[in-house]
Amino acid sequence: DIVMTQSPDSLAVSLGERATINCKSSQSVLYSSNNKNYLAWYQQKPGQPPKLLIYWASSRESGVPDRFSGSGSGTDFTLTINSLQAEDVAVYYCQQYYVTPPTFGQGTKLEIK
Amino acid sequence: EVQLVESGGGLIQPGGSLRLSCAASGFTVSSNYMSWVRQAPGKGLEWVSVIYSGGATLYADSVRGRFTISRDNSKNTLFLLMNTLRAEDTAVYYCATLPSPGGLYYFDYWGQGTLVTVSS
Repeated sequence: DIVMTQSPDSLAVSLGERATINCKSSQSVLYSSNNKNYLAWYQQKPGQPPKLLIYWASSRESGVPDRFSGSGSGTDFTLTINSLQAEDVAVYYCQQYYVTPPTFGQGTKLEIK
Repeated sequence: EVQLVESGGGLIQPGGSLRLSCAASGFTVSSNYMSWVRQAPGKGLEWVSVIYSGGATLYADSVRGRFTISRDNSKNTLFLLMNTLRAEDTAVYYCATLPSPGGLYYFDYWGQGTLVTVSS
């Protein structure tokens, strides 16, 4: 199985500032035939199910604010949240879908400083 | 609007069985790939199983041989039959859709989840 490792485990960022969450996969999730990275990001607020934010490493799901962006390729990926809002407090997960079983990172808890 | 509503969770003794349901609306279950994903209390997400639109199924190693995913097309409902339950199966179980037309294992819609607690 592909192991997904996120860093940091938690972070606190001031309102209006930028939050950066990293995700590393144990093997590349870049499919050479279509040059796509099989990597998704989710947001999970307390007591709620996960919500898809990003797929193909950088494609924003419909309705997701443009302050959320994804980047990276191969084994190293980043979720960036610009101009942090209070409603962005959540746990964020990366997930690879390059191979079965799909696997998730351990999560990064984002709080307001 | 896509809606997924899980039910059937509860407290069950080790070795027991439970069947979870996921009632869908806003789309046709039989035309989509659908999965179960679980989350142990305070822990991360773990994919459990998938059923393809054509009916093929796959399972995580941790549940293969004990869990069975199925659907009832007439009720537009997904199921997860869980046998020989263990303490480590304790989790919130979410049903989720995979994006159409299928084959990509990320999850675009999620239900609210149902809690399964395996304890004596």
